[in-house]
Amino acid sequence: ILNVEQSPQSLHVQEGDSTNFTCSFPSSNFYALHWYRWETAKSPEALFVMTLNGDEKKKGRISATLNTKEGYSYLYIKGSQPEDSATYLCAWPRYGGATNKLIFGTGTLLAVQP
Amino acid sequence: DTEVTQTPKHLVMGMTNKKSLKCEQHMGHRAMYWYKQKAKKPPELMFVYSYEKLSINESVPSRFSPECPNSSLLNLHLHALQPEDSALYLCASSRDRDYEQYFGPGTRLTVT
Repeated sequence: ILNVEQSPQSLHVQEGDSTNFTCSFPSSNFYALHWYRWETAKSPEALFVMTLNGDEKKKGRISATLNTKEGYSYLYIKGSQPEDSATYLCAWPRYGGATNKLIFGTGTLLAVQP
Repeated sequence: DTEVTQTPKHLVMGMTNKKSLKCEQHMGHRAMYWYKQKAKKPPELMFVYSYEKLSINESVPSRFSPECPNSSLLNLHLHALQPEDSALYLCASSRDRDYEQYFGPGTRLTVT
């Protein structure tokens, strides 16, 4: 069974806290790992597509790291703000280069209290 | 224009109705996707079109019929749906099959 798992399921933090969550994916036949942010009543928005082991990507206060050998990626948010409240999804393309058949994790729901 | 649009936003249909969902993008993307999302679950892939040809059908029942009339448009024709088909239907596009996907806001479908 090829699963993409995320933890925790949900997270409640105070404004200004830094936080991180995890995505685990099958490490064999790795091609890429996607991160998306999905705010309520909006479209999922791509944050990062990561392809290289050890890669680190950054977008403002959000950053992500990738370990393809052990099959995990961390997403970090520094100094959380209420507008960061969303569900964060990671997705793994199952068959790699020939298709982009994304398998999504169940997401981490982040709520940032002002 | 980095937007994927979907119409309608909401749709209520009976089990004998025929309706269509529409998706449009003007980013020149050559891959387009339909996903189904049930509450508290991740999006599940239904169909992938690549260069206007159906490349993946995830064993979706024939009561869902996709169509890609041109590189900017993707339709999902619905016929004889069941109440369990009620869900959020998301459309997405990407530059090609291996790039990040841009999602539309979805159509909330209720089958009565």
